[in-house]
Amino acid sequence: SQQGEEDPQALSIQEGENATMNCSYKTSINNLQWYRQNSGRGLVHLILIRSNEREKHSGRLRVTLDTSKKSSSLLITASRAADTASYFCATEGAQKLVFGQGTRLTINP
Amino acid sequence: GAVVSQHPSWVICKSGTSVKIECRSLDFQATTMFWYRQFPKQSLMLMATSNEGSKATYEQGVEKDKFLINHASLTLSTLTVTSAHPEDSSFYICSPRRPSTDTQYFGPGTRLTVL
Repeated sequence: SQQGEEDPQALSIQEGENATMNCSYKTSINNLQWYRQNSGRGLVHLILIRSNEREKHSGRLRVTLDTSKKSSSLLITASRAADTASYFCATEGAQKLVFGQGTRLTINP
Repeated sequence: GAVVSQHPSWVICKSGTSVKIECRSLDFQATTMFWYRQFPKQSLMLMATSNEGSKATYEQGVEKDKFLINHASLTLSTLTVTSAHPEDSSFYICSPRRPSTDTQYFGPGTRLTVL
């Protein structure tokens, strides 16, 4: 079963702008992870944030986690055309990862 | 990161045939293997979880007699789609779990097209 819901489902922005994607989940988690997937390709792990963490950075990525609201956000700053992909959050609980519905991000040059 | 391979990377088969997909964790022993399915423009859906030497646990709505999972060794798991039909056409992704770090890694996926 799918636990996470992401919004927006699709996002189209101009190169250089920031992109924000949100993820909400329903049950308690150990950690939340974000992945990227280019069309028809495998998953690329971006970042993991543990349930006791509130914010994490990795390069142009910033992830926040609010366990009281059961939500997370992924911010990509200074977007590039190469960032065009689908982005998924995945929550880990009961020792398995469950994926959200994903956000299709398009960066227009 | 860990190296996970899947074979084949893509396969086209006729309706009614069976297809076997192999997943190997090349540099660690995976006591637990997860299999996901992804339909076009959708997210990954967990199909089943298998522990080495045990029967797989299937998610609700996934037919265990149709999707046979074998996890006979710590580095190899197979998913067999039996009597495949066009609606089984999908992207199948394995995900071994590294016990020492409790981290899930993902294979590159196998694209199955059933004609």
